[in-house]
Amino acid sequence: DAGITQSPRHKVTETGTPVTLRCHQTENHRYMYWYRQDPGHGLRLIHYSYGVKDTDKGEVSDGYSVSRSKTEDFLLTLESATSSQTSVYFCAISELGGIDTQYFGPGTRLTVL
Amino acid sequence: AQKITQTQPGMFVQEKEAVTLDCTYDTSDQSYGLFWYKQPSSGEMIFLIYQGSYDEQNATEGRYSLNFQKARKSANLVISASQLGDSAMYFCAMRGGETSGSRLTFGEGTQLTVNP
Repeated sequence: DAGITQSPRHKVTETGTPVTLRCHQTENHRYMYWYRQDPGHGLRLIHYSYGVKDTDKGEVSDGYSVSRSKTEDFLLTLESATSSQTSVYFCAISELGGIDTQYFGPGTRLTVL
Repeated sequence: AQKITQTQPGMFVQEKEAVTLDCTYDTSDQSYGLFWYKQPSSGEMIFLIYQGSYDEQNATEGRYSLNFQKARKSANLVISASQLGDSAMYFCAMRGGETSGSRLTFGEGTQLTVNP
């Protein structure tokens, strides 16, 4: 199994509060990704990183920011959480870009009340 | 734009029988990869199998095989000798080489139930 952990695994927060989710990998992979999973939408990419301090937007990036100061950590921040951001968030990693396989972390279930 | 279509919201199979989960895709990329992931009720996403667009042979991984028909743009997952532990949601996904950036595009999934 790829060494990927996510924290917290579960979080309940209130509308308007900032939230930060952490993804940590021990594989030294260059690429890291944040997805959200919602019923009827499958998984959708929020942001991704192709190196330390190198990030780019995915298809559902509004309301989210990311940071990557070390190879092993990729942070996802909800600046002001809304109920529409209630979801399961998955981090993924891949050694290469292009069509390389992505391996997923265990997920974080976030509820915004 | 890329699109993955999984037309079977739910499938049922008897233990020890084979089952095929359908996946069709649409892309304008010449180079792309097709993936299948399994999501059991515990929630994690488990990588199962990969097929590259230029691979001439169908991919196999143990009891999993991918029936790749490029002209029909289909990438069906075949699970042989189903086991109770195969009960899960299965997602087909693709990643293009030229136009998709780095994202995986997922289908909406097929819920497989294996009956004893």
